[in-house]
Amino acid sequence: AQSVTQPDIHITVSEGASLELRCNYSYGATPYLFWYVQSPGQGLQLLLKYFSGDTLVQGIKGFEAEFKRSQSSFNLRKPSVHWSDAAEYFCAVGSNYGGSQGNLIFGKGTKLSVKP
Amino acid sequence: DTAVSQTPKYLVTQMGNDKSIKCEQNLGHDTMYWYKQDSKKFLKIMFSYNNKELIINETVPNRFSPKSPDKAHLNLHINSLELGDSAVYFCASSQDIRTGELFFGEGSRLTVL
Repeated sequence: AQSVTQPDIHITVSEGASLELRCNYSYGATPYLFWYVQSPGQGLQLLLKYFSGDTLVQGIKGFEAEFKRSQSSFNLRKPSVHWSDAAEYFCAVGSNYGGSQGNLIFGKGTKLSVKP
Repeated sequence: DTAVSQTPKYLVTQMGNDKSIKCEQNLGHDTMYWYKQDSKKFLKIMFSYNNKELIINETVPNRFSPKSPDKAHLNLHINSLELGDSAVYFCASSQDIRTGELFFGEGSRLTVL
């Protein structure tokens, strides 16, 4: 069965520091992978996605993520964090066939806090 | 213009009541979804509709019934509300059901007392 693991529940970084949020997935075929961000009281916004091709994908707000098939990982990175990046981040895997098309499996999220 | 809009944003009600949450998307997408986010922020799909046809119906109680009058609308009706139904319910839509790239509404926070 598909699953997504985000090992870190809460991460605190200083403003201007680099960031890496971890995501591991379990999926039998080539997955569709996503990172979403949820600001307090808001819905989820897509940061970036991986479907195929280049394993390093660029997203909005200066984020990037790298798909590593050998490690079943899709970690999110940002070289310099801004205070406005404080939010909850969700990694998700999508099924690309059969009756489960469009069913995103989400990780439990990582809460990012940013110190001034 | 809000792409995916849900109403109401907040809903407080008593156990046993029936309530509905409405969702509309103006993106021209064929597929719409309901997700439930519990108090621990865990997101789980409940239903998806593609062009008004039910595609995904995860294991949810029969008290939850989605209705899609047209492909731009997907409403969620809940009968006999229970304490455990308290959660944030998110509506979402996607252009291509194969990819699962979702556009979310802002959520409807349901509190059952």
